[in-house]
Amino acid sequence: AQRVTQPEKLLSVFKGAPVELKCNYSYSGSPELFWYVQYSRQRLQLLLRHISRESIKGFTADLNKGETSFHLKKPFAQEEDSAMYYCALTPLGNNDMRFGAGTRLTVKP
Amino acid sequence: GAGVSQSPRYKVAKRGQDVALRCDPISGHVSLFWYQQALGQGPEFLTYFQNEAQLDKSGLPSDRFFAERPEGSVSTLKIQRTQQEDSAVYLCASRRQSDGELFFGEGSRLTVL
Repeated sequence: AQRVTQPEKLLSVFKGAPVELKCNYSYSGSPELFWYVQYSRQRLQLLLRHISRESIKGFTADLNKGETSFHLKKPFAQEEDSAMYYCALTPLGNNDMRFGAGTRLTVKP
Repeated sequence: GAGVSQSPRYKVAKRGQDVALRCDPISGHVSLFWYQQALGQGPEFLTYFQNEAQLDKSGLPSDRFFAERPEGSVSTLKIQRTQQEDSAVYLCASRRQSDGELFFGEGSRLTVL
């Protein structure tokens, strides 16, 4: 069965510093990977997905099949990036999306 | 409506009570999911509907949990004889068919005393 691991529950950086939120997964087939974000008092929403290979709000994530990782990166963090971030995986053609436990990012002024 | 709507937002139940949680998905979304999110954890898959058909209920933790979507739109998650370990936020999501993006509701926070 697929599993998603986010090793850091909490991550704190200063504004303007680079940030990397780690995500590792275990799945033997071809997965589709996502990052979801939940800002304070808002609902969970999609941030980006690996197949679109786009940058959203300055964030990027590259799927590394060799290391089974899908780390989320941003070169210069902003205070408004403070939120809860969840990495998620779904097998291609499947409906069962699995989420990691989440990382709370705090960007300090 | 503009998004996925869930009710009630907050529910306090005494142990042993039955509860029903409602989800109104985005109009036209065929696929609907229920997730359970315990404190400090990520969402855990409970069940999935395509229209009115419940195609996957492998995540339901016990036979006290039951979900339905009789007309392929609104869904109800029912928990019978609630236990303290059922305390969690229950999230509903509907999926856009064109690209598979999930749209989440705000969740129903259940507290079992």
